[in-house]
Amino acid sequence: QVQLVQSGAEVKKPGASVKVSCKASGYTFTRHAMHWVRQAPGQRLEWMGWINAGNDNTKYSQKFQGRGTITWDTSASTAYMELRSLKSEDTAVYYCARGWQGAFDFWGQGTMVTVSS
Amino acid sequence: QSALTQPASVSGSPGQSITISCTGTSSDVGRYNLVSWYQQHPEKAPKLIIYEGTQRPSGVSNRFSGSKSGNTASLTISGLQAEDEADYYCCSYTTTSTVVFGGGTKLTVL
Repeated sequence: QVQLVQSGAEVKKPGASVKVSCKASGYTFTRHAMHWVRQAPGQRLEWMGWINAGNDNTKYSQKFQGRGTITWDTSASTAYMELRSLKSEDTAVYYCARGWQGAFDFWGQGTMVTVSS
Repeated sequence: QSALTQPASVSGSPGQSITISCTGTSSDVGRYNLVSWYQQHPEKAPKLIIYEGTQRPSGVSNRFSGSKSGNTASLTISGLQAEDEADYYCCSYTTTSTVVFGGGTKLTVL
């Protein structure tokens, strides 16, 4: 069965970087994009970007362009999302989600990232 | 990219039907048949309930249905049940190959 298992919670200081992982299993990775979505406390879902696991092409939301990087490690079947120059407003739950038929059919369990001095 | 517009909250009694609207533009909702809807219970990951505007994934109740007219998509939940109380988000692909979510709608079952 399809599973997306994310890394554990992180606490970072402003200005630092964070890298969240998402290990995929149970499907053919090259057939699906992997997206990253975040949700600040009490706020809406916010799409960050996606990677085509077949050719490593990426696309980012304008908001994260230049500050975020999504990568895919084929040997580890794992996607990564790195966010740099963290601010308190980046405090959120970060989700990876599999792309399917123009939607997101499987989601990771979420990773809480707290940015605090 | 601005968020799609959803009502902040809707409510209904058990057994009733409710509809949640999702308004975008001709560059997202109105352009493609790639609107999806998600149900999110507190402290849980979102769950896909509608894709391609009107399609239900396997295992999703047929009480959930989707539609679209112009730049506005809609989610209808019929025969409301207590477990339907959750946040609901619409989502659309855009002409720039990005994705945009709605602001979310809190459904209260009275």
